[in-house]
Amino acid sequence: DTAVSQTPKYLVTQMGNDKSIKCEQNLGHDTMYWYKQDSKKFLKIMFSYNNKELIINETVPNRFSPKSPDKAHLNLHINSLELGDSAVYFCASSEGQGDQETQYFGPGTRLLVL
Amino acid sequence: GQNIDQPTEMTATEGAIVQINCTYQTSGFNGLFWYQQHAGEAPTFLSYNVLDGLEEKGRFSSFLSRSKGYSYLLLKELQMKDSASYLCAVRDSNYQLIWGAGTKLIIKP
Repeated sequence: DTAVSQTPKYLVTQMGNDKSIKCEQNLGHDTMYWYKQDSKKFLKIMFSYNNKELIINETVPNRFSPKSPDKAHLNLHINSLELGDSAVYFCASSEGQGDQETQYFGPGTRLLVL
Repeated sequence: GQNIDQPTEMTATEGAIVQINCTYQTSGFNGLFWYQQHAGEAPTFLSYNVLDGLEEKGRFSSFLSRSKGYSYLLLKELQMKDSASYLCAVRDSNYQLIWGAGTKLIIKP
């Protein structure tokens, strides 16, 4: 009964490829997020999305694009992968954006670009 | 700019008490969160403070002073399983979470 799930857990690929990471939450939450955690363990928000609004961190390259087929899914598509994209990517969800919303994280996808 | 400061690493002894500090400078304030992250795993929620004072939850307590831009997480009766990184995060005026880099806590027997 995983609350927030991501696939794949590990992804090794060549520079220049295009890849997608899938995320699903079964909590009925309205808001989903993508984070990047680099080797220094710093969590950086990439996107937050609810069924009304997509908020993009302006520092995220446009090679990264979130795609939400429905409220329970927020996939991350990455074009033309670069070495610097190697990191752990976490999906998360929360009930809303109001007070005291807690974010529930998926297990992470470890991306290695060679 | 927005900034969250935490010590990079701390060491404590099993059974003891440790306090992990967090100071922040953000554009507005709408709550402060503490998360725990074990190595190789996802962050998990520990506590939330929006008003000044101490929130206690079992062995863990979190304190907030909004006027000082300061919070701490207090862990009592430390256990080996408490070895993890502890992340402080502040929600700003736009309701965006700003994350600290985390404090790696090492527990020794």
